[in-house]
Amino acid sequence: AAGVIQSPRHLIKEKRETATLKCYPIPRHDTVYWYQQGPGQDPQFLISFYEKMQSDKGSIPDRFSAQQFSDYHSELNMSSLELGDSALYFCASANARGAGGEQFFGPGTRLTVL
Amino acid sequence: ILNVEQSPQSLHVQEGDSTNFTCSFPSSNFYALHWYRWETAKSPEALFVMTLNGDEKKKGRISATLNTKEGYSYLYIKGSQPEDSATYLCASNSGGYQKVTFGTGTKLQVIP
Repeated sequence: AAGVIQSPRHLIKEKRETATLKCYPIPRHDTVYWYQQGPGQDPQFLISFYEKMQSDKGSIPDRFSAQQFSDYHSELNMSSLELGDSALYFCASANARGAGGEQFFGPGTRLTVL
Repeated sequence: ILNVEQSPQSLHVQEGDSTNFTCSFPSSNFYALHWYRWETAKSPEALFVMTLNGDEKKKGRISATLNTKEGYSYLYIKGSQPEDSATYLCASNSGGYQKVTFGTGTKLQVIP
């Protein structure tokens, strides 16, 4: 069965550069969530989208933005990268009306900021 | 309760001990309650999704109960093993099925 796809899987950037992470949800899923997990830290919810509209916002820095496109894939844009942005970024997708809205997680993108 | 709250925040237990944690969530407009197991640097693993008051789910040594009237769920682990060490997250769809709110998690450390 198709799973959530994230690209790239690994990304190395320098301070003050920009990065774009992509998430391709499971087909027919209408909701995408983004999470950040820093080294040795608990996962933090960043932002979510339902039917291409932002549905919830968590601890996403102002330097980050995200959107969901017409094909339901989502991109997380990160600018003016800081060392503290080094983390594992997960996205999850869900069919909001199915199975209680259970989220299925992608494998994550590991971002390293040097 | 406006947010999803989990307690305790962290927990250390000896191998073989049984343990449980709590998730509290808004009981109004309840739709579903989810439990996830999240190991560091791995994708979260869905454990249970529960929708009905009184639901009880079980997977191996892990089980969960749901009380939607009072807005809480318990996760139980019987005979904890070191490989159970992880952060256990609950998430609630309350106030609309597309709005999922996660708790901050309970970090479990099982000491061999």
